[in-house]
Amino acid sequence: KAGVTQTPRYLIKTRGQQVTLSCSPISGHRSVSWYQQTPGQGLQFLFEYFSETQRNKGNFPGRFSGRQFSNSRSEMNVSTLELGDSALYLCASSLLGSETQYFGPGTRLLVL
Amino acid sequence: QKEVEQDPGPLSVPEGAIVSLNCTYSNSAFQYFMWYRQYSRKGPELLMYTYSSGNKEDGRFTAQVDKSSKYISLFIRDSQPSDSATYLCAIDTSGTYKYIFGTGTRLKVLA
Repeated sequence: KAGVTQTPRYLIKTRGQQVTLSCSPISGHRSVSWYQQTPGQGLQFLFEYFSETQRNKGNFPGRFSGRQFSNSRSEMNVSTLELGDSALYLCASSLLGSETQYFGPGTRLLVL
Repeated sequence: QKEVEQDPGPLSVPEGAIVSLNCTYSNSAFQYFMWYRQYSRKGPELLMYTYSSGNKEDGRFTAQVDKSSKYISLFIRDSQPSDSATYLCAIDTSGTYKYIFGTGTRLKVLA
């Protein structure tokens, strides 16, 4: 079974731009979560979607948003990029009823 | 106080050693405890998952949870150079998928 896939794997943007990252969960997984990983703050929860609805949200500004499609694929968007948004953005998927999440390889975003 | 505390290391051990990695947490409502391994420039890989106090073993890995002390551990027996990675503990309350991660411990196993 294929794992969680994320595209693109690497991205370079400049301050003020916006970016959209994509995540395809493991087949059959309907919950998708997004995390930001930085050397200083570690892994921090952004939000979680299930059946196209955001169920949980972390403590990030409104510039960070996401959505989930009917096929469970998810996108996250960051508008008005700041230097501090440079990070590894990780997507994780879960099977309904399971407590465990499986992570993708991440998208490494560099904001210049 | 952070909700989950983890020593960042780095921790260097010789090949074949027993490795002990630890996390403490502050909220007794946490019910689910995970250990992930992350190689450089890769996503975290689930190693162990448990929800009860006690030990859970899987091959060379043993996860231990002490809910009374709010303390979780991961033991690696017969450590190998391929175990060199960052180990992250993760904690969740029921069904939220809103994991709280420790900062990760960098482990280096020397051949």
